[in-house]
Amino acid sequence: SYELTQPPSVSVSPGQTARITCSADALPNQYAYWYQQKPGQAPVLVIYKDSERPSGIPERFSGSSSGTTVTLIISGVQAEDEADYYCQSPDSSGTYVVFGGGTKLTVL
Amino acid sequence: QVQLQESGPGLVKPSETLSLICNVSGDSVTNYYWSWIRQPPGKGLEWIGYIYYSGSTSYNPSLKSRVTISEDTSKNQFSLNLSSVTAADTAVYFCVMGYCSGGCFQHWGQGTLVTVSS
Repeated sequence: SYELTQPPSVSVSPGQTARITCSADALPNQYAYWYQQKPGQAPVLVIYKDSERPSGIPERFSGSSSGTTVTLIISGVQAEDEADYYCQSPDSSGTYVVFGGGTKLTVL
Repeated sequence: QVQLQESGPGLVKPSETLSLICNVSGDSVTNYYWSWIRQPPGKGLEWIGYIYYSGSTSYNPSLKSRVTISEDTSKNQFSLNLSSVTAADTAVYFCVMGYCSGGCFQHWGQGTLVTVSS
């Protein structure tokens, strides 16, 4: 089955830049989306179509894509950014939706 | 502003059918893509399937044999039926609106915990 691979955890100090990667063979041909989920809450879309930011999402959130890897970038990390982050993309056929396993971002 | 609210039993017995309803306000269920996504306790997100454009559906291949998603346009709601449930189906179930077939899940319900237990 098709999988999106994320690191289980990333740690950064406040004010630093966090980079969370997501890898899969079909990513050069499919858009990726990123969601932030805090404990007990529903996920929130923070990046769509690889690098677009929905209204209301802080400018410190950005996304990039290179080959089979997409990256969520959080510049100037704040304590409130500590959360689980999930990448999501269609499978190679574009028919089904797949989520990565999630990355826990810890702000030291 | 689109708002979604899940409703249904919080406890289902093994081998029975899990049934949930999502009430939608702020947009019509005849537009866009309306998904169910679940999250087992302490685990990641799993897409179950969606309904779109007045009745077409797409399901996660791993659940397809047990899942039915339908809509009631008169009530502006859509529903999930998951048959033959086991403890592995215990999860928080979210109803979600997306603007595209690939995901772009913009609006989420708060989620409802369904426990499968005798």
